[in-house]
Amino acid sequence: SAVISQKPSRDICQRGTSLTIQCQVDSQVTMMFWYRQQPGQSLTLIATANQGSEATYESGFVIDKFPISRPNLTFSTLTVSNMSPEDSSIYLCSVFFRDLQYYGYTFGSGTRLTVV
Amino acid sequence: KQEVTQIPAALSVPEGENLVLNCSFTDSAIYNLQWFRQDPGKGLTSLLLIQSSQREQTSGRLNASLDKSSGRSTLYIAASQPGDSATYLCAVRDFGNEKLTFGTGTRLTIIP
Repeated sequence: SAVISQKPSRDICQRGTSLTIQCQVDSQVTMMFWYRQQPGQSLTLIATANQGSEATYESGFVIDKFPISRPNLTFSTLTVSNMSPEDSSIYLCSVFFRDLQYYGYTFGSGTRLTVV
Repeated sequence: KQEVTQIPAALSVPEGENLVLNCSFTDSAIYNLQWFRQDPGKGLTSLLLIQSSQREQTSGRLNASLDKSSGRSTLYIAASQPGDSATYLCAVRDFGNEKLTFGTGTRLTIIP
């Protein structure tokens, strides 16, 4: 399957600051997805990022809070802006990938964010 | 709006036992269903993907089944091992949609 390198793996940030999370994929993909997993919860989709166009945000998520860049077919960033303790979560990027041996969604290893 | 539920939320079984995890979804117009495992604080590892036209998929000790008409999928784990301890998530992709809707997860503990 596609391999996704996600950085940083974890961070502790002060409230009011911003953190940018990066995902690098070893194959070209059309769509990249960003998810949030709050403590003890399942995954919730934040937005879908296509190369060359603005990201599409899910209900409850806005671009000012979670700006996304998608400069090419292998890379994307998610910024968590003006952070508060409620933003403490695991953030994951994902792609849909298919080749001769794999068909399905692949996830990055996640970024564990703690806001203090 | 698709909703995905997993029961039970947590399960503990002795090593060596066979077990079944359940996943239910409300809208049967799905494109596929994928099972993942998640180790604490980590990302997701794909286990099995079942297309809407399939009834089951197998990989090693894992077997996933799909009954679209009743909105259910099961993940069967044979001869459980302590290394199987993790949270198991099912996720549904609907027709006409590229995104996944995740279930609430089952936290599995295998007791040595």
